Amino acid sequence: SQTIHQWPATLVQPVGSPLSLECTVEGTSNPNLYWYRQAAGRGLQLLFYSVGIGQISSEVPQNLSASRPQDRQFILSSKKLLLSDSGFYLCAWSGGEGRNTEAFFGQGTRLTVV
Amino acid sequence: AQKVTQAQTEISVVEKEDVTLDCVYETRDTTYYLFWYKQPPSGELVFLIRRNSFDEQNEISGRYSWNFQKSTSSFNFTITASQVVDSAVYFCALSDRAQKLVFGQGTRLTINP
Repeated sequence: SQTIHQWPATLVQPVGSPLSLECTVEGTSNPNLYWYRQAAGRGLQLLFYSVGIGQISSEVPQNLSASRPQDRQFILSSKKLLLSDSGFYLCAWSGGEGRNTEAFFGQGTRLTVV
Repeated sequence: AQKVTQAQTEISVVEKEDVTLDCVYETRDTTYYLFWYKQPPSGELVFLIRRNSFDEQNEISGRYSWNFQKSTSSFNFTITASQVVDSAVYFCALSDRAQKLVFGQGTRLTINP
């Protein structure tokens, strides 16, 4: 069966520090991968999505970046965090290979920038 | 560009009442997929249903039902005989041919005993 792992679960980082959140999927190949951010009490904002290695689509201009070094690994990074980067970050995967299946989500990372 | 609108930010009803959550979408694609997710207080996102653009049949699953109408670009979700455990934030989502998955702002549903 397929599983998605996202870590860490919580993170407190000072302003100006770097960020690296990692997400890995097991049990499937060539998935679509997504990063979302959810501010407190708000909706899910799509940050990045990838339909394959080396293919990253950025949805919101900001100081975040994403990379997909391996087929089932998706990394969200920042060189210098801002206070506004605080939020709940969710990684998700869906079927890929042209199949529009439902997306399955990780447990999320609650990031607080102080 | 695709867009999902959930105009109801918050809904509060008394237990056993029926409640409908509205979802309106926009897309230029003729092939697309619609989804509903539930986010309980614990934060995880739980998949509820998927519908493709060629299947307008309504669906019922226990107390849950979904009404998909392409003519009005709507995909509404009804909970019959609501229960306190239904309290959560509910999200409607749309995936287009590029497999970009976009969510609405969510509707916070509170079921009061």
